[in-house]
Order: sequence, then structure tokens, then C-alpha cells
Amino acid sequence: DAKTTQPTSMDCAEGRAANLPCNHSTISGNEYVYWYRQIHSQGPQYIIHGLKNNETNEMASLIITEDRKSSTLILPHATLRDTAVYYCIVRAPGSSNTGKLIFGQGTTLQVKP
Amino acid sequence: DAGVIQSPRHEVTEMGQEVTLRCKPISGHDYLFWYRQTMMRGLELLIYFNNNVPIDDSGMPEDRFSAKMPNASFSTLKIQPSEPRDSAVYFCASSPTGVGGYTFGSGTRLTVV
Repeated sequence: DAKTTQPTSMDCAEGRAANLPCNHSTISGNEYVYWYRQIHSQGPQYIIHGLKNNETNEMASLIITEDRKSSTLILPHATLRDTAVYYCIVRAPGSSNTGKLIFGQGTTLQVKP
Repeated sequence: DAGVIQSPRHEVTEMGQEVTLRCKPISGHDYLFWYRQTMMRGLELLIYFNNNVPIDDSGMPEDRFSAKMPNASFSTLKIQPSEPRDSAVYFCASSPTGVGGYTFGSGTRLTVV
């Protein structure tokens, strides 16, 4: 599975949009981009995933560049409860490594009042 | 849906003792994963099962670790004998076949003294 690069940490003001970038320049054609987050002391939580089109759900939006080498997770109106570590992961479901959801160090997002 | 259920939530044991961690996946999910999280190493995939069959155990650190999945609704991770360096939070996750995200349990915090 392709590796990803994320900033170590980011701050965001409460109520503002949080834009979390991720680089995945070696992504393969059959690999999806997944985002998870982990709030302190809890298990990781799935947020969203996409292949090449932009995606939106009740939690966030995912913007994938046309060349698919990078993506941005957008939390439109960040709250204090969104303070967490955010992980960007690329994975090819159905491949021989279908189970290998490999977590990097992620981005620690601090939402401030 | 009760989600992925892990027990116990906390376990404190003495070095050399056997430890058994338990996991009940979401009904209908045919993949089950065991992860370990420490400050030093982050989230590590230990082993995963597909339809109750172990697929990849390359992340299991030593022979002291073993995992079983006797049926679709139950899995165990056993450490025998336990050592202080096994202290970590152990997460279980499950997922259906396909591109969807994983659902993680709340974890078991293991302390070996």
C-alpha cells in the first residue's frame, strides 16, 4: 500500500473550517483514500473514503486532486470535540493486502476556542 | 447495533501471567483485526482474520502471542507469559467485505507489572 505524508500538527479556531492535507504521491489506481480519527483514549473512528471523486458525508468532505497524489479532509465547522489525531491511509480493498490498514503518525488537530 | 465489543476494558496483571483479551465483532462483518497501540510505536496491526481464518499474522511480535477466532462472533488474543513491554492498548476492529471503513472497539488497556 502507498505511504502517506501528513503534517504533524495543526490548529483550528472553533467554528472555522479545518483543512487537513495528505500527500500520497505513489498511490496506485486501485487504492482508495481513507480518513480515520482517534479522540484521546478511544478507538479510531472511520470518517470517510474516496477513490477519485470528491466525497461528502455528515462528518466531513474529502477533496482528492485530479492526479490523486494528494487529498484534503475538510471539517466544515470544527468544534472542540473534533480535537483528535487524524489519519490518512491509502488502501486497495480486495487486494492481497486487503486487511493491511496501516496507520502512520497522523495529524494532531487542536481546535481552540 | 452495539458495535465492536471488547473485554475487559482494563487489565492489570503480573509478569509471567497469562492474559486473554476478548472481542465480539459486528454481526455480518467477515473481517476481524487486532491492533496494538503504544506511544513509541503507534498503532500496529498484529493479525487479521477473514471468515474466521487467520490471513496474516506477520505483525504478531512473538510466539508468546496467539489469536483465535472459533466462530464469527468471537475472537481472543492471548499473551502467555506476559511481560512488562506488552503493556499497551489493544484494539479489535471488524469490517465487511468491500470498500467500507473499519469499526473499532473501545480497546483493552493492558498493564503488566
